[in-house]
Amino acid sequence: DAKTTQPPSMDCAEGRAANLPCNHSTISGNEYVYWYRQIHSQGPQYIIHGLKNNETNEMASLIITEDRKSSTLILPHATLRDTAVYYCIVRVAASGSRLTFGEGTQLTVNP
Amino acid sequence: GAVVSQHPSRVICKSGTSVKIECRSLDFQATTMFWYRQFPKKSLMLMATSNEGSKATYEQGVEKDKFLINHASLTLSTLTVTSAHPEDSSFYICSAATGPGLGNTIYFGEGSWLTVV
Repeated sequence: DAKTTQPPSMDCAEGRAANLPCNHSTISGNEYVYWYRQIHSQGPQYIIHGLKNNETNEMASLIITEDRKSSTLILPHATLRDTAVYYCIVRVAASGSRLTFGEGTQLTVNP
Repeated sequence: GAVVSQHPSRVICKSGTSVKIECRSLDFQATTMFWYRQFPKKSLMLMATSNEGSKATYEQGVEKDKFLINHASLTLSTLTVTSAHPEDSSFYICSAATGPGLGNTIYFGEGSWLTVV
């Protein structure tokens, strides 16, 4: 599976943008980048996914570099409720809908 | 939007008994669902792939006779932990995709906490 690398932890001030990076240098051309977050004691929550174009929805924006080797998840105005572990996952063609989770980034939004 | 629901959210069972956890896709059909487990402060680990109408596919190291999976319909998969032991206590999570393509969204259930006493 295409491996992803994320910083183990990040801090962000409430109301500011949170920019969470992810490296996926071995990604293949038809593999999507997915982002999920997990708040303590809950199942992972889908945030956004993309192939090569930047994507935006009501939760976040996903910026994928032109070479697709890295991406950044942007939470434009972080709130305390955004404190969670954020997982960047490459959905591999050979694995179908089986997702391999790394350790993710623990984002802490501070008041 | 599409929702995946699990039941029960929390269950306590006695050692040696069996417990069943249900995973339902509420507004879409899922020929394939996935079961994960998660230990405290650890990431999710895939246990098995649940296939509607056929046998489940288990990841290496997962005992298929201990973790029975049944996918009887396009909206329901069940995980039964048989002869449960305290070391089976964990957070169990299921997921399902809204379609087969790589661009389709994969949703997760709320998770089920199992405590074996």
